[in-house]
Amino acid sequence: NAGVMQNPRHLVRRRGQEARLRCSPMKGHSHVYWYRQLPEEGLKFMVYLQKENIIDESGMPKERFSAEFPKEGPSILRIQQVVRGDSAAYFCASSGGGNQPQHFGDGTRLSIL
Amino acid sequence: TQLLEQSPQFLSIQEGENLTVYCNSSSVFSSLQWYRQEPGEGPVLLVTVVTGGEVKKLKRLTFQFGDARKDSSLHITAAQPGDTGLYLCAGWGAQKLVFGQGTRLTINP
Repeated sequence: NAGVMQNPRHLVRRRGQEARLRCSPMKGHSHVYWYRQLPEEGLKFMVYLQKENIIDESGMPKERFSAEFPKEGPSILRIQQVVRGDSAAYFCASSGGGNQPQHFGDGTRLSIL
Repeated sequence: TQLLEQSPQFLSIQEGENLTVYCNSSSVFSSLQWYRQEPGEGPVLLVTVVTGGEVKKLKRLTFQFGDARKDSSLHITAAQPGDTGLYLCAGWGAQKLVFGQGTRLTINP
């Protein structure tokens, strides 16, 4: 399967712990986008990255959230000191850049106890 | 801030009926996309419309982009239970996609 791969599919954390969500883009894609989705709602943009660069992080909370897309390896969305309100589905999408279609992974469902 | 409003938010109809979902904004988008999302999965792209007034057909689905590129509609003819899902419109603006809140469509056999 050469699609966008996200792992883990489900992640359970206790309040105060750290959550790390990984995304491997589709082969040949160097642009990665992270979105957050609450039940029965649309996706909310969080951050747009290219290899080793953050292009737009206007949708990221100022504290506790960070994202990276290193030269080698997957993109990582990191949430420190998680709180109940962080519970959501987090989706990653990749594209070839510009306004080319974005292809989505199947998401990571994060639950905070 | 660019916003997209979808209506209706929920729609439940009988198999064989026709329906239309709307996606409206006060902002102009360079292109607009429609996605369908199944439970537990990521959104899957159905179509991209780029030109004002453009109409695209995908089997029983007809997508239209408004002349001013501020709104779009999705029309489904003779809906089938397999059409059940969450339909999302998304506009491309400022290097990112802006999503509507979605329309949860249920087709009853």
